[in-house]
Amino acid sequence: AQKITQTQPGMFVQEKEAVTLDCTYDTSDQSYGLFWYKQPSSGEMIFLIYQGSYDEQNATEGRYSLNFQKARKSANLVISASQLGDSAMYFCAMRFAVDASKIIFGSGTRLSIRP
Amino acid sequence: EAGVTQFPSHSVIEKGQTVTLRCDPISGHDNLYWYRRVMGKEIKFLLHFVKESKQDESGMPNNRFLAERTGGTYSTLKVQPAELEDSGVYFCASSPLGQGPNYEQYFGPGTRLTVT
Repeated sequence: AQKITQTQPGMFVQEKEAVTLDCTYDTSDQSYGLFWYKQPSSGEMIFLIYQGSYDEQNATEGRYSLNFQKARKSANLVISASQLGDSAMYFCAMRFAVDASKIIFGSGTRLSIRP
Repeated sequence: EAGVTQFPSHSVIEKGQTVTLRCDPISGHDNLYWYRRVMGKEIKFLLHFVKESKQDESGMPNNRFLAERTGGTYSTLKVQPAELEDSGVYFCASSPLGQGPNYEQYFGPGTRLTVT
């Protein structure tokens, strides 16, 4: 079965510190994409970063990087130098080549940045 | 370029009533998706349109939910009659045609539905 697991329902981090949000997944497919979305209190879903299953390099987008460990089936999001505006829900998600219709989401992690 | 828009942003209805949610995808996006997040649970896929055709509706919970996309532009999701367990946030997303798993879906802000 295809499944995304986020084991941290909530996290508190001091401003300017780095934070790692955990994500593990379960699939037997070889071709898939991993995504992270941010959902601030305003409700919209904001795309942050993408990692392809065949990408050898870890994806980076500004302060966001994805620590992709394929053998362990993990795709952790690392936010460097956290800011107050990073406080939000963060969702790890997957999409598959064999069924590119849908995205499967994890349950989310609520990140709170302390000033 | 305007993003995905959804209307209303919040709807409060009584059990047994009907509610219609609307989604306007990004102009030119043939793929349109509906998802929902029931309180405290994962965001779940409901269905996928390619233009006006339903490509995959495997996530629709039951026949009280009806989605349409006449003309391949905006889409509506009707819940009739609404039940308490339908409360949650309904998201719409869109993407251009022909993209595989390595492309994002662009999400709207969601409609928060509360059934009392």
